[in-house]
Amino acid sequence: DGGITQSPKYLFRKEGQNVTLSCEQNLNHDAMYWYRQDPGQGLRLIYYSQIVNDFQKGDIAEGYSVSREKKESFPLTVTSAQKNPTAFYLCASSIVTQETQYFGPGTRLLVL
Amino acid sequence: EDKVVQSPLSLVVHEGDTVTLNCSYEVTNFRSLLWYKQEKKAPTFLFMLTSSGIEKKSGRLSSILDKKELFSILNITATQTGDSAIYLCAVLNAGGTSYGKLTFGQGTILTVHP
Repeated sequence: DGGITQSPKYLFRKEGQNVTLSCEQNLNHDAMYWYRQDPGQGLRLIYYSQIVNDFQKGDIAEGYSVSREKKESFPLTVTSAQKNPTAFYLCASSIVTQETQYFGPGTRLLVL
Repeated sequence: EDKVVQSPLSLVVHEGDTVTLNCSYEVTNFRSLLWYKQEKKAPTFLFMLTSSGIEKKSGRLSSILDKKELFSILNITATQTGDSAIYLCAVLNAGGTSYGKLTFGQGTILTVHP
């Protein structure tokens, strides 16, 4: 059963803490993406990766970091430098960067 | 900077009504325009439009692109309560430093009452 999984569903972060959001896909897609969604706004691109061991900053990369060591995995770390991390985080993948992106179920991050 | 604007931002209708959602865009290197439906969680893909004037249809939903006027519409006929969702429009960039980048509009919140 192919698809994109994200975990956890909900994540709580304390002040000054780094947290990592997981994204895994078994669709054999080369490209993967991280978006942030805030109420009343569309999705904004944080980082994307076209192939393994390569990634590029999106529009709002400050305070975030990523890695792409395996084709199927693209974890996102929200660092303490991200001052307003409360949002809904969506991971997506596509066969290659010019094709339709498919989304995971999302992780809701809340700050304690 | 690539920009996508959707209107209206929200819409409330009754079952059976027909709705038209709008999406206008400004992008440096246009490749395609995509529509997604989001119900609480992951956006699900509806349509990808690349060519002007060719309508894409899936059941009660249809969409068309006008590359000259830089807009697209999404039509939903005979709406049902299950159509209640956020509808997202996004434009895929074809080149330059924004290669492969998807820029989203704010979304239209559609509420269908029984």
